[in-house]
Amino acid sequence: SQQGEEDPQALSIQEGENATMNCSYKTSINNLQWYRQNSGRGLVHLILIRSNEREKHSGRLRVTLDTSKKSSSLLITASRAADTASYFCATDRDDKIIFGKGTRLHILP
Amino acid sequence: DTGVSQDPRHKITKRGQNVTFRCDPISEHNRLYWYRQTLGQGPEFLTYFQNEAQLEKSRLLSDRFSAERPKGSFSTLEIQRTEQGDSAMYLCASSKNPGTGAGNQPQHFGDGTRLSIL
Repeated sequence: SQQGEEDPQALSIQEGENATMNCSYKTSINNLQWYRQNSGRGLVHLILIRSNEREKHSGRLRVTLDTSKKSSSLLITASRAADTASYFCATDRDDKIIFGKGTRLHILP
Repeated sequence: DTGVSQDPRHKITKRGQNVTFRCDPISEHNRLYWYRQTLGQGPEFLTYFQNEAQLEKSRLLSDRFSAERPKGSFSTLEIQRTEQGDSAMYLCASSKNPGTGAGNQPQHFGDGTRLSIL
């Protein structure tokens, strides 16, 4: 069953613009992860943020976590064509991680 | 780190046939996970192993599905008497021992096996 839910479901932006995706979840978590998936490929881990952290950066990626609102956001700055992919948040429950349905990001040339 | 590899990449079979997929995880990873993904959805948990022990199996998994990790290295996922609804991408992932919970460690995914049932 689904724990995290990404918003929007799909997003198209011009190359060079920033892209923001949001994830909301239902029950308390210890960790939240973001993954990217290119068409026909497996998922690639982007960032892991722990429940006691509020913000984390990795290159052009910035992730925030608000445990009081049970939400997280992924910001990709200065988008590139290669960023076109689906992005998933994953939250931990019991000894598993549960993925949302993802945001499909399309970078327009 | 040679990554997670899955074989085959694609499998087309007739309804009612049995199929088996293989996953070779990153060598030092204790954890191995199997997921199923259909179009427009996120990966759905099927089962996972800690070394050779299968610790949990999704309630969504029917008795037709079985997974093994005999020596704590590679794993196989078998589907018996395949049905149309089994058509999906089957993903394998591995991670280091996460300790207190799976969310503590990033998972490394293979490129999956795409199963098509005719």
